[in-house]
Amino acid sequence: ETGVTQSPTHLIKTRGQQVTLRCSSQSGHNTVSWYQQALGQGPQFIFQYYREEENGRGNFPPRFSGLQFPNYSSELNVNALELDDSALYLCASSLNEGGEYFGPGTRLTVT
Amino acid sequence: AQTVTQSQPEMSVQEAETVTLSCTYDTSESDYYLFWYKQPPSRQMILVIRQEAYKQQNATENRFSVNFQKAAKSFSLKISDSQLGDAAMYFCALIIQGAQKLVFGQGTRLTINP
Repeated sequence: ETGVTQSPTHLIKTRGQQVTLRCSSQSGHNTVSWYQQALGQGPQFIFQYYREEENGRGNFPPRFSGLQFPNYSSELNVNALELDDSALYLCASSLNEGGEYFGPGTRLTVT
Repeated sequence: AQTVTQSQPEMSVQEAETVTLSCTYDTSESDYYLFWYKQPPSRQMILVIRQEAYKQQNATENRFSVNFQKAAKSFSLKISDSQLGDAAMYFCALIIQGAQKLVFGQGTRLTINP
């Protein structure tokens, strides 16, 4: 167990809807990153938050947005869901480049 | 841009034997970190081992060790005395110092045969 928690575990949404995924970082970690992992693929970087500010973004459209709170927990919001958004969404927290510690993920299915 | 390549989609090994998973990467940066992550069916990505590029000594963690060849941009993982619990997807990953994102390979599915 890494101390990183995510909710919900599973989620089913309809195309066009909006979704919010939540993550609590490991104690003491001030950086949270979000990754999308399609079936059979390696995770792809969505964005990172450091001390409540976005600190880098991958090749994802603006309908993917996020927040980080003063306690370093984070949310990932996805608007106008598309079928291709179906994936495992992983949250990871870190203190430096020494390694990212991942949560168990949220499985999102868009129908 | 950085890339990570794992050329073995699947590997299998007998319990108690040794297995080596391959990873190559490409970057023009000199300061970076390399990682191996394990992802069992439970989906949780677990950090197995990390290597700082500036260190010549290969990292080891109990039964897990790496062969880091910086000039060849190769970073293989050796698992000794394989156990049934080692069965999982294994991902090689790279992060540039000061950058925000881990770049992952496609993964290798490791099966342990009893």
